[in-house]
Amino acid sequence: AQSVAQPEDQVNVAEGNPLTVKCTYSVSGNPYLFWYVQYPNRGLQFLLKYITGDNLVKGSYGFEAEFNKSQTSFHLKKPSALVSDSALYFCAVRVPSGGSYIPTFGRGTSLIVHP
Amino acid sequence: KAGVTQTPRYLIKTRGQQVTLSCSPISGHRSVSWYQQTPGQGLQFLFEYFSETQRNKGNFPGRFSGRQFSNSRSEMNVSTLELGDSALYLCASSIPPDGQETQYFGPGTRLLVL
Repeated sequence: AQSVAQPEDQVNVAEGNPLTVKCTYSVSGNPYLFWYVQYPNRGLQFLLKYITGDNLVKGSYGFEAEFNKSQTSFHLKKPSALVSDSALYFCAVRVPSGGSYIPTFGRGTSLIVHP
Repeated sequence: KAGVTQTPRYLIKTRGQQVTLSCSPISGHRSVSWYQQTPGQGLQFLFEYFSETQRNKGNFPGRFSGRQFSNSRSEMNVSTLELGDSALYLCASSIPPDGQETQYFGPGTRLLVL
């Protein structure tokens, strides 16, 4: 069975500082990894994904994530946080299993960027 | 392109009633997935439809059902509502699914069961 862990329910960071939102996964096989962001009263918005190739993936709004196979991690990062980055962030994993690609989502991490 | 639309946005029902939620995918997208989001359980996969066929189903009771029409629009139905069905129901669309595709989510339907 596949699983995703986001060990921090909440991350606080000052505007202008770098931010990291952590994600670790447990799968059998090669994972496809995704990050989504959810603003209040909105659906999820896609940020970035890792399928194969370069371990460093760049996405929307200046976010990037690094796939680390040995540590089974896919942490989301941004060099300089903005107040408008405050939102709920979800990591998700998919592994092809018998032709099925049912995604598993982490519980979400609330990012709060202080002015 | 218009995004994924979901109707209604808000719904209040009482226990024992049934409810139907609708999702219109992005034009050209033929895959539609449904998710339930609650504070306690997080985001949970309900089911996925592609070309009017259910491809995958999550671990939910038979009270939860869905269908997809020839224009790719999808509906989900919950019968005999329970208090625990109160949640945000999200629909996501994508091009033909191969696991790598990006899903585009609608704003959700917030269901409150009293």
